[in-house]
Amino acid sequence: AQTVTQSQPEMSVQEAETVTLSCTYDTSESDYYLFWYKQPPSRQMILVIRQEAYKQQNATENRFSVNFQKAAKSFSLKISDSQLGDAAMYFCAYRSQNRGYGGSQGNLIFGKGTKLSVKP
Amino acid sequence: DTGVSQNPRHKITKRGQNVTFRCDPISEHNRLYWYRQTLGQGPEFLTYFQNEAQLEKSRLLSDRFSAERPKGSFSTLEIQRTEQGDSAMYLCASSLGALGRMPYEQYFGPGTRLTVT
Repeated sequence: AQTVTQSQPEMSVQEAETVTLSCTYDTSESDYYLFWYKQPPSRQMILVIRQEAYKQQNATENRFSVNFQKAAKSFSLKISDSQLGDAAMYFCAYRSQNRGYGGSQGNLIFGKGTKLSVKP
Repeated sequence: DTGVSQNPRHKITKRGQNVTFRCDPISEHNRLYWYRQTLGQGPEFLTYFQNEAQLEKSRLLSDRFSAERPKGSFSTLEIQRTEQGDSAMYLCASSLGALGRMPYEQYFGPGTRLTVT
């Protein structure tokens, strides 16, 4: 079974600075997807960024980028130029490659999350 | 607003009572997921529908839990004989079915927070 571990329960960053959130995972599969989701207080979860395991190039979305190390099974999220609105719980998630009917249907496996605070 | 909606947003019930939650996915999405999130944890998968068919259930989904998605539209999650351990946030997510390699993004609803006293 796949597992996702986020070893930092809480992190803090100064506004405009850069912060990196860590995530490691365990799987025997070679083809899968990794995600970072953001859950602001009392608001719904939204997708921040995703990475396909078969792609070596790290994904980037504006101020958000990942460092994907497949051999090390590591998937960290870097937030540059942090803003007050970035304060939230961040969850790392794993998804198997869709095997179609009867196989894994795409449910996400989440880590426990990292609470990010942004100081003005 | 055409996002995923869930009702009610909060539910307080006494132990032993039955509760039912509703999820309305984004209209063109044929996949619907239920997750449970307890305090300090990430969401955990409960069950999944493709259209009206329930295709996968987690071991977390005991026989007191039942989910339906009639006509492949909205979905309901019922918990019978609630226990204090059922207290959690119940999240619903929907997505398009994947074509080829790329999975479509799962869009989450705001959740239903259940408190069992």
